[in-house]
Order: sequence, then C-alpha cells, then structure tokens
Amino acid sequence: DQQVKQNSPSLSVQEGRISILNCDYTNSMFDYFLWYKKYPAEGPTFLISISSIKDKNEDGRFTVFLNKSAKHLSLHIVPSQPGDSAVYFCAASGNTDKLIFGTGTRLQVFP
Amino acid sequence: GAVVSQHPSRVICKSGTSVKIECRSLDFQATTMFWYRQFPKQSLMLMATSNEGSKATYEQGVEKDKFLINHASLTLSTLTVTSAHPEDSSFYICSIRIGGTGGYTFGSGTRLTVV
Repeated sequence: DQQVKQNSPSLSVQEGRISILNCDYTNSMFDYFLWYKKYPAEGPTFLISISSIKDKNEDGRFTVFLNKSAKHLSLHIVPSQPGDSAVYFCAASGNTDKLIFGTGTRLQVFP
Repeated sequence: GAVVSQHPSRVICKSGTSVKIECRSLDFQATTMFWYRQFPKQSLMLMATSNEGSKATYEQGVEKDKFLINHASLTLSTLTVTSAHPEDSSFYICSIRIGGTGGYTFGSGTRLTVV
C-alpha cells in the first residue's frame, strides 16, 4: 500500500522555466511533509518542508504548496537550472517519527 | 545541521555471508535511527526503526532475523544483513530525526552487492 505517490516518474523542463513536481498521499494522519533531492548512490538531500498548519512555504527558488483537503502537495522550482536535474522524492510523517517516501520523479532540466 | 556517517559506502560479498553496515551520528545524540532500502529505480522503503537500548521495530515484511539491528549507543546503529542472498543487493540508507524544519538527516548510503 503506497501511502505517498508521485504519479509522474519523469519530468523534462527547459532551463529557466518552472518545474512542478506533484505528490499525493492517502494517510490523513500525515502532518509534516518534506521534499528531497537524490543522486544515484547517495543519500537524499533535504530541500524544503511544510507543516500541515501551512499551505505554502518558500525558500529561494523552491516553493512547496500543500492542499490538505485534496491530500496533495507540489514542489515548484523556478527558475529551473541544469544542476536541478536529479530524482526528487516527497516524504511524509505523522504521529510517529517514521518518514514515508513517495515513488520519486526524475527531473531533467535541459539548456 | 547534524551529520550522519555511514560505512561502508560500497560492499560486495559472497552469497551466504553476513555484512555489517554502520551508521554514526557525529554531532547529535540519536535515540532513534531509521534504516531504509532502495532498489533500483524504486522508492526508499523504511525497513526498521532502531531504538537505543531496546529492540528495533521492523516494518511489515522485513525479516528481523535476517536484518539484525543493534543500537547500543546514542551515536551508533548497525544493520547486519545475515546470510546474504543476491536479492538482498540494494542501497541501504540510515537516517536520524533532528527536529526543526530539516527534520531528518540521511547517511550517504551503502550499496550492497551479493554475488
């Protein structure tokens, strides 16, 4: 049972444009959401997070939006840069410390 | 932020042998550590929660006798893959929760190949 899903396995965006990565979850007990960037054979690198009491959090080029009623969150990267090319995972946690990861989206930013 | 050191980064072992992976929290006392596994092109799947001074909590479908977890101190958790088989070949990552907006810090991972 995949509680956190990223329905787009890949995304290709031109440099300078906006990248939008989506994530859906099923467990209404999740109250903390994070986005990670990952390269092969490396651990995930934290990007940005959002608590369920907010609907938006912004940090530089990265903005995360949370729609609790739809159980949906998204990560916006603008402007996209070639160095952003990686696999992006959303993750969620609830009343335990367990972090549940989504299936990942491979972002490719081309010149 | 906290730093998590994981060792080894890469290991190749023969089928039937055991492999130990270490996860150290260098600047944070972690009562809880998490172990994940990632198969190629798949998500990171939580295997178990390591608790300092007590038994680990395993996720459904993870064999506790095969994946031995020891969390003897606040800075060290080990995962031992016993009697490894080729299907255990995977990328293993540990993590600690540090709180704050960053939440979790991950080790650099261990790529295990069983031949």
